[in-house]
Amino acid sequence: EPEVTQTPSHQVTQMGQEVILRCVPISNHLYFYWYRQILGQKVEFLVSFYNNEISEKSEIFDDQFSVERPDGSNFTLKIRSTKLEDSAMYFCASSEEGQTYNSPLHFGNGTRLTVT
Amino acid sequence: RKEVEQDPGPFNVPEGATVAFNCTYSNSASQSFFWYRQDCRKEPKLLMSVYSSGNEDGRFTAQLNRASQYISLLIRDSKLSDSATYLCVVNEDNTDKLIFGTGTRLQVFP
Repeated sequence: EPEVTQTPSHQVTQMGQEVILRCVPISNHLYFYWYRQILGQKVEFLVSFYNNEISEKSEIFDDQFSVERPDGSNFTLKIRSTKLEDSAMYFCASSEEGQTYNSPLHFGNGTRLTVT
Repeated sequence: RKEVEQDPGPFNVPEGATVAFNCTYSNSASQSFFWYRQDCRKEPKLLMSVYSSGNEDGRFTAQLNRASQYISLLIRDSKLSDSATYLCVVNEDNTDKLIFGTGTRLQVFP
């Protein structure tokens, strides 16, 4: 079964540094997402991306965050200047269509970001 | 203001038991409803979508009550492998944004 892959599985960075989290969505999917989960808390929506542009973003997704689809396969999340509170598990997801019963989200196995 | 509310549990049940989880959501405009399963430190995985008429998938039955804004999940004949956190998930205003509950933890013991 095709799957969403994320790299790296764990990223440690110092406060103020830039990080790029990488994702390869399922190849025939058109909608891409980033979610995050702070340890012990619920999964939170960050951003959705379709047709090479952001379709929706949450209040968490401020100017420090950006997403890009640099080629036909990768989907990246960049955090420009990391803060301690950015430490979390970041999940990439993709779906064939938008959010419908026939097109559920497929999540990657996540990148654990630790900001020190 | 909690948008999707679940009892965090844990629910500790013996193998073979039937267990039910409930969830309430605050946005009456939500159109899509799901149950996801999450193992410790792993990604959420879709368990089942929840349809208006209710639906069943093997040992799992999901129900939706739009009037009460309430969703349920019933697991029959619990297996050890069912031990996980069950996430109630609702979309926001028929958008692509999913709102997750904090999850209900289930522990099935021999």
